[in-house]
Amino acid sequence: RKEVEQDPGPFNVPEGATVAFNCTYSNSASQSFFWYRQDCRKEPKLLMSVYSSGNEDGRFTAQLNRASQYISLLIRDSKLSDSATYLCVVNSPRMDSSYKLIFGSGTRLLVRP
Amino acid sequence: GAVVSQHPSRVICKSGTSVKIECRSLDFQATTMFWYRQFPKKSLMLMATSNEGSKATYEQGVEKDKFLINHASLTLSTLTVTSAHPEDSSFYICSARDVRAGDLTGELFFGEGSRLTVL
Repeated sequence: RKEVEQDPGPFNVPEGATVAFNCTYSNSASQSFFWYRQDCRKEPKLLMSVYSSGNEDGRFTAQLNRASQYISLLIRDSKLSDSATYLCVVNSPRMDSSYKLIFGSGTRLLVRP
Repeated sequence: GAVVSQHPSRVICKSGTSVKIECRSLDFQATTMFWYRQFPKKSLMLMATSNEGSKATYEQGVEKDKFLINHASLTLSTLTVTSAHPEDSSFYICSARDVRAGDLTGELFFGEGSRLTVL
């Protein structure tokens, strides 16, 4: 089983739609969680951190369910510029007590006019 | 926001040659930098953690002698792909976290990536 799993998509939605991405992680001791955005052939950029209480940043809402080891990202009122790959990232402990960021393979979003 | 600069962005080389990629944090210091490799439509795979002033920590399955890492200062890490072969062709990305930020919550800033093509 992969440490971080995401539906690869692509999700093809019209402008203005609401779309949700899910992500599951296998290590229950994981401590912090993030969504990164990666445009084609570019480097990833932090979209938002994910907190247990859930957090919102404009049109983006992230949720964390530790019991189910599940993270979600909701995008409302999709824009053409939201087209990208969304990476679920989990900070997981190693054997030596350090932490390592594990990246999901990403969910591709295509927003059409 | 913080900037990490990676150079070169694109390199084409012949099989058997060595290629050096540089990663610089431009406006912050980083005692630790990370090197990733990404294949098309795949996730970023951590290759190694570069530690300023000491040896890099390599992930399982990554050859230390193949991928030489040097972290000579708080703002510069280099990755050298030695005796490159076509299977080493990939997108290599570095990242760094401000030394003042926490390991758990500090944002990771990525370089622009280097696309290596080995002929």
